[in-house]
Amino acid sequence: GESVGLHLPTLSVQEGDNSIINCAYSNSASDYFIWYKQESGKGPQFIIDIRSNMDKRQGQRVTVLLNKTVKHLSLQIAATQPGDSAVYFCAENRPTDSWGKLQFGAGTQVVVTP
Amino acid sequence: KAGVTQTPRYLIKTRGQQVTLSCSPISGHRSVSWYQQTPGQGLQFLFEYFSETQRNKGNFPGRFSGRQFSNSRSEMNVSTLELGDSALYLCASSSDRWEEKLFFGSGTQLSVL
Repeated sequence: GESVGLHLPTLSVQEGDNSIINCAYSNSASDYFIWYKQESGKGPQFIIDIRSNMDKRQGQRVTVLLNKTVKHLSLQIAATQPGDSAVYFCAENRPTDSWGKLQFGAGTQVVVTP
Repeated sequence: KAGVTQTPRYLIKTRGQQVTLSCSPISGHRSVSWYQQTPGQGLQFLFEYFSETQRNKGNFPGRFSGRQFSNSRSEMNVSTLELGDSALYLCASSSDRWEEKLFFGSGTQLSVL
């Protein structure tokens, strides 16, 4: 029979443009959030994290924004490069879960076009 | 520092068999977590070990088990394999008992025929 998989939203970005990847989380008690990048054939790679007592954090070419009011997280990638093509996951840590358990979103496929 | 190492990289098994996957965490990391990744369900938490003790467990049947050794290396075992167990199994490590940031290995791709 037909297999049903998670439908990954796709973000197509031109090389050199900025990318914005969005993520909605469900648990208002979540206090820690991480963005991961997963390239084909590899495991998720840590990009940047943010705690709930912050609303913005910057890294190298990346910025994470946290809006706790609407339970929304976003990852901004500046000057997107071909090497940024991958699936991006947001993950949250819920205090009731803890110990190695992160709740992952479905992911967003980013395709960088020349 | 070497990253998280998982072996083997690929496995093909048949229904009813059992399989053991291995994970070596980043040197100095004492917590090891396991995740299952499938196109249908995404990333699902299996269990977490710290100092040879399972501290946390996800919603998987008892056919899925794991253990951790004194050197922090971990293994997971799946018995009586089913077709639906076909997945990428990911191991992640973190530095101490309270660290939430996980570093993942490249995974073991298991195919059950």
